[in-house]
Amino acid sequence: NAGVTQTPKFQVLKTGQSMTLQCAQDMNHNSMYWYRQDPGMGLRLIYYSASEGTTDKGEVPNGYNVSRLNKREFSLRLESAAPSQTSVYFCASRQGGNQPQHFGDGTRLSIL
Amino acid sequence: GIQVEQSPPDLILQEGANSTLRCNFSDSVNNLQWFHQNPWGQLINLFYIPSGTKQNGRLSATTVATERYSLLYISSSQTTDSGVYFCAVVDFNKFYFGSGTKLNVKP
Repeated sequence: NAGVTQTPKFQVLKTGQSMTLQCAQDMNHNSMYWYRQDPGMGLRLIYYSASEGTTDKGEVPNGYNVSRLNKREFSLRLESAAPSQTSVYFCASRQGGNQPQHFGDGTRLSIL
Repeated sequence: GIQVEQSPPDLILQEGANSTLRCNFSDSVNNLQWFHQNPWGQLINLFYIPSGTKQNGRLSATTVATERYSLLYISSSQTTDSGVYFCAVVDFNKFYFGSGTKLNVKP
């Protein structure tokens, strides 16, 4: 049982390049989330998907798009990467209702 | 969004000492979750606690939702407790994180 799997673990991009971060969960959870964590800070919500077929903006959605491909998979796309998007990106899932979130191990993204 | 403040921001303990971490939040929330981020960056669930008290080994948490705060107690600290402790509050489907308490337990 892998839980939440993120790929890739590390990536370096040049400014203006595009990139899709992948996330998959095998716990049959309804809700999935994307966060970014900047040095010395907590996590900030980028987008979330409360259930298959729905997506909503979080605190910091600008510069990102998401796709809930099916119940298992939720991808995050940077169309034109900027240095300000250098961060560690975390994906999470939860069943919904009064259930906790479970996190992947993160993707460390550097944009030069 | 909901504001979440954690204190203290940094904490250094000698192994075996006890500590209390605090999380204050600005509005009513559906639930609250405590995490430990280990030195490798992994986020580990500790407690999901809307109100009341829960215990798991040397760790326990208390949330007083009516007063908008939660406390995390670590007893008999060990070096493996080092890392950053985050609380996150839940407003319907959205989670709002505090900036964390960085804990360093020295042998």
